Amino acid sequence: DVKVTQSSRYLVKRTGEKVFLECVQDMDHENMFWYRQDPGLGLRLIYFSYDVKMKEKGDIPEGYSVSREKKERFSLILESASTNQTSMYLCASSPRLAGGPEEQFFGPGTRLTVL
Amino acid sequence: DQQVKQNSPSLSVQEGRISILNCDYTNSMFDYFLWYKKYPAEGPTFLISISSIKDKNEDGRFTVFLNKSAKHLSLHIVPSQPGDSAVYFCAASDRGGGADGLTFGKGTHLIIQP
Repeated sequence: DVKVTQSSRYLVKRTGEKVFLECVQDMDHENMFWYRQDPGLGLRLIYFSYDVKMKEKGDIPEGYSVSREKKERFSLILESASTNQTSMYLCASSPRLAGGPEEQFFGPGTRLTVL
Repeated sequence: DQQVKQNSPSLSVQEGRISILNCDYTNSMFDYFLWYKKYPAEGPTFLISISSIKDKNEDGRFTVFLNKSAKHLSLHIVPSQPGDSAVYFCAASDRGGGADGLTFGKGTHLIIQP
């Protein structure tokens, strides 16, 4: 079974802190994604990566950056956390197959609260 | 501008009956559609998908119907069971667009009543 793990289930940070959210997948998937989920807004794509050291902006990249130094690990970075970044953060991965995207496998999520 | 719309925030269905969850999209470039199920405090899990070259895909109790002319898809669950109570997200992708991210709807909270 595909396993996507996220470093923390719950995280509390202060405004202005630098925050790292880590995601690791064990199925050798090429693609990795970061989403945030907010009530009434569904899941929104922040960044994704289709290869090591490659990254693409999603729909809401402002205030975030990412790092993919190894194939299995994709990090989301909040350079200076703000209260409007309080959210559930979900990491996902998928294989790169001919014909385009396939289903994505999600981690359990990190509930981040910024005070 | 929301490209994938789930207009019903919640839906209540009696156990054993059919649950029908609806999804509309506006981007005619979408050619692959997926449904995900999410329990509280867990990540979404893939349920079923359909390519735009098909109009129906079935997997056990779950069937997805796609009406391209209406830009509408629906998920049917028959019969509904208590374990089906969850939030269901519709998602879409433009496979030919070069990007692999999915565009999600806001979700529908399905409640199965005993």
